[in-house]
Amino acid sequence: GAGVSQSPSNKVTEKGKDVELRCDPISGHTALYWYRQSLGQGLEFLIYFQGNSAPDKSGLPSDRFSAERTGGSVSTLTIQRTQQEDSAVYLCASSFSGERTDTQYFGPGTRLTVL
Amino acid sequence: AQSVTQLGSHVSVSEGALVLLRCNYSSSVPPYLFWYVQYPNQGLQLLLKYTSAATLVKGINGFEAEFKKSETSFHLTKPSAHMSDADEYFCAVSAPSGTYKYIFGTGTRLKVLA
Repeated sequence: GAGVSQSPSNKVTEKGKDVELRCDPISGHTALYWYRQSLGQGLEFLIYFQGNSAPDKSGLPSDRFSAERTGGSVSTLTIQRTQQEDSAVYLCASSFSGERTDTQYFGPGTRLTVL
Repeated sequence: AQSVTQLGSHVSVSEGALVLLRCNYSSSVPPYLFWYVQYPNQGLQLLLKYTSAATLVKGINGFEAEFKKSETSFHLTKPSAHMSDADEYFCAVSAPSGTYKYIFGTGTRLKVLA
C-alpha cells in the first residue's frame, strides 16, 4: 500500500510568513509523529498524535508552532511568523498503534527554507 | 533519560570491506533500539530493530546488529560494503513510556570507496 506522504516537498518562504505542512499517514495507523531535522540539532521530536488527540506536544519549540489532526488521518503542522531558524526538513511518521515495539514509517519530508 | 551516541559522523570503507557503524545507548529501562537509513532527499527507512527478542537482529540489505547489554551497544554491521550502501544511518531508541517517540543519534554518513 501507499506509504506516508508529505506536501509540499519543498517550501521557500519569507521571514514572518505563515506556512502549513501536510502529512498523510499510512491508512489505519492511529499514531502520528512530527520530527524536525536540522543541521545544528539533528533529528528532534516535535509532537505526537494518537487519533486526533495530541497527548505529547513537548517538542514544539515555541508557541509559533501548532499542529492538528483530523479524521484520525491527515495532519497539518503550522508555523506562524516564520524565522530563519525554522529552516529545516520536517518529517512525519506514522505507526500502527503507537506501541513501543511499533515501527515508525517516515515520509519523505518537507524541506522548509525561510529567507 | 534515554539517549544514543553514534561514534563517527563520517565513516569510510572500501568496497567489499566490513561495515561497522557504532551506536551506544543510555536507558533507564530495557531499551528498544532501531537503525534507519536515510536516502538522499527521502525519509528514513527501517533497517532493523531490537525489541528484546533475539540479541542478534538481521535486517534488510544484508545488515545486522547485535544488542550487547554489558557494553550498552547496538552496532550495525555488514560483511561486505557495496557502493549503494553510501548513505546516512541513524540509530534511535524509543522513549520508555508515554508516546514512545524516538530519540535519535546524530547520524553517521557512510562513504564507500571503489
